[in-house]
Amino acid sequence: DVKVTQSSRYLVKRTGEKVFLECVQDMDHENMFWYRQDPGLGLRLIYFSYDVKMKEKGDIPEGYSVSREKKERFSLILESASTNQTSMYLCASTVAADTQYFGPGTRLTVL
Amino acid sequence: DAKTTQPTSMDCAEGRAANLPCNHSTISGNEYVYWYRQIHSQGPQYIIHGLKNNETNEMASLIITEDRKSSTLILPHATLRDTAVYYCIVRVWARAGNQFYFGTGTSLTVIP
Repeated sequence: DVKVTQSSRYLVKRTGEKVFLECVQDMDHENMFWYRQDPGLGLRLIYFSYDVKMKEKGDIPEGYSVSREKKERFSLILESASTNQTSMYLCASTVAADTQYFGPGTRLTVL
Repeated sequence: DAKTTQPTSMDCAEGRAANLPCNHSTISGNEYVYWYRQIHSQGPQYIIHGLKNNETNEMASLIITEDRKSSTLILPHATLRDTAVYYCIVRVWARAGNQFYFGTGTSLTVIP
């Protein structure tokens, strides 16, 4: 089975802190994605990566950056966390045009 | 980009079939329809996908109309564990890789 893991299920940070959310997949997938999910808004794509060191902006990249140094790991970085970044963050991976597999999510609260 | 429209919520009696509709009237010929579900506080789970023909797997059936402008996900014998938000998605090819556009989905409640 495909396994996508995220470093934390719950995270609480303070405004202005730098936050790292880690995602690891074990199926050698080329494509990896970061979404955020908010009530009433569904899932919105932040960034995606189709290869090591490659990244593309999604629909809402402002306030975020990403890093893909190894194929299996895709990191989402909040350079200076703000309260409006309180959300559920979901990572997904896929190979080519195939199905996306999601991690369990990280619920981030910024105080 | 093709987008989807789904009812906000639905109820279904336990043991009965749950039929979840989805409209995707602007879908292109090479775009697939995917269904995912999300149980509270978990990541979305893949259910099924299709292009033109009806599809069935161990979880559900997918019925796509001939004009491909709408589809229906069928859970043949709904259980309480099927209570979740169900997302109908069309897969769009981006310049690099591919993107899934999630809407707000249908919240299905299975009633005992």
